[in-house]
Amino acid sequence: GEDVEQSLFLSVREGDSSVINCTYTDSSSTYLYWYKQEPGAGLQLLTYIFSNMDMKQDQRLTVLLNKKDKHLSLRIADTQTGDSAIYFCAESPNYSGGYQKVTFGIGTKLQVIP
Amino acid sequence: KAGVTQTPRYLIKTRGQQVTLSCSPISGHRSVSWYQQTPGQGLQFLFEYFSETQRNKGNFPGRFSGRQFSNSRSEMNVSTLELGDSALYLCASSGDTQYFGPGTRLTVL
Repeated sequence: GEDVEQSLFLSVREGDSSVINCTYTDSSSTYLYWYKQEPGAGLQLLTYIFSNMDMKQDQRLTVLLNKKDKHLSLRIADTQTGDSAIYFCAESPNYSGGYQKVTFGIGTKLQVIP
Repeated sequence: KAGVTQTPRYLIKTRGQQVTLSCSPISGHRSVSWYQQTPGQGLQFLFEYFSETQRNKGNFPGRFSGRQFSNSRSEMNVSTLELGDSALYLCASSGDTQYFGPGTRLTVL
């Protein structure tokens, strides 16, 4: 079945770049997502990338996709204390009028040190 | 546009009881998915409803059930609660992209 793996913890200093990595197993993955969860809150969709793309940039966020290695990364430039949260990598095999089944990784806890 | 709302936000139940959680999706969204989030298992997909029909189901026992109404609001029910059902239950509403509600924190004593 589908599996998404990511490291559990990342600590960075404020102002540095953060890179959160993820690997997935489902070769039919069409959509790959990054979600952010702050304490006590639900999940916030940060960005997503189609499997036919290599890179997507959105302000401080850069997503890189290596489809051959099934590796996805999220780079946060100029990391701020407000970026401290759990980041989930997720994949979905298809899209037809609504997301059918999204598989999530365990989440990477990002700690930003002032 | 109002976001995804979930009620109640917190629930405390005892083993053997049943519970019903509610989710109101974003207006115009017809797909509603439910997830269980626990520290040990992470986020696990429960089921997805689209136009009142269950379109996908995860690997959960039959104690977990759901339904969707004609206005796209969805409910999930857990019968014969077990201690291991304690979790954050998240609902997601999908249209062009997927938006999550704040979740319902269920504690089973």
